[in-house]
Amino acid sequence: IAGITQAPTSQILAAGRRMTLRCTQDMRHNAMYWYRQDLGLGLRLIHYSNTAGTTGKGEVPDGYSVSRANTDDFPLTLASAVPSQTSVYFCASSEDRETGELFFGEGSRLTVL
Amino acid sequence: GQNIDQPTEMTATEGAIVQINCTYQTSGFNGLFWYQQHAGEAPTFLSYNVLDGLEEKGRFSSFLSRSKGYSYLLLKELQMKDSASYLCAVMDSNYQLIWGAGTKLIIKP
Repeated sequence: IAGITQAPTSQILAAGRRMTLRCTQDMRHNAMYWYRQDLGLGLRLIHYSNTAGTTGKGEVPDGYSVSRANTDDFPLTLASAVPSQTSVYFCASSEDRETGELFFGEGSRLTVL
Repeated sequence: GQNIDQPTEMTATEGAIVQINCTYQTSGFNGLFWYQQHAGEAPTFLSYNVLDGLEEKGRFSSFLSRSKGYSYLLLKELQMKDSASYLCAVMDSNYQLIWGAGTKLIIKP
């Protein structure tokens, strides 16, 4: 049982480059989320999707975009990376938006130089 | 604004009991959640409270008082593997999870 798979696990990126973090789930969950986690701060929501074909902005959406073409995939794109986007990124899913039991991927550690 | 407060770090002894507190101020309430996160790993779901009172699950229990905006996670018979960060999160009226910064629990032999 895979659950949620994220790729890459770790990446070092030059500022100004474009980067896509991939996320795939096999649980047929309706809702998916992208969070960033920085030392001393709680998880901060970047973007979310309540169901395939819809997306919404979270707390810190600037500089990021997402798409939800189907139920399973929810990629996160940094159009032009900046050093402040250095963070650990977690993709998560839940049965639906009203369910607070989230299942997380293993995380993608991104360093922007 | 919305806010979740929990202690930054706590230390406890193997075999003992520890209580991790969480206070919250949110726009509405649709449940309180506790997650465990080992260093370098993803958070995993521990417990859910929506009504006042205590929910017990093995060595872990979680308590909620909605009138006080307060919850605690109680860990009994501490084991070294319980060394982790514990995240408190509240679901607000828009069904968005508001997360605390987490409490790092250090277990000493």
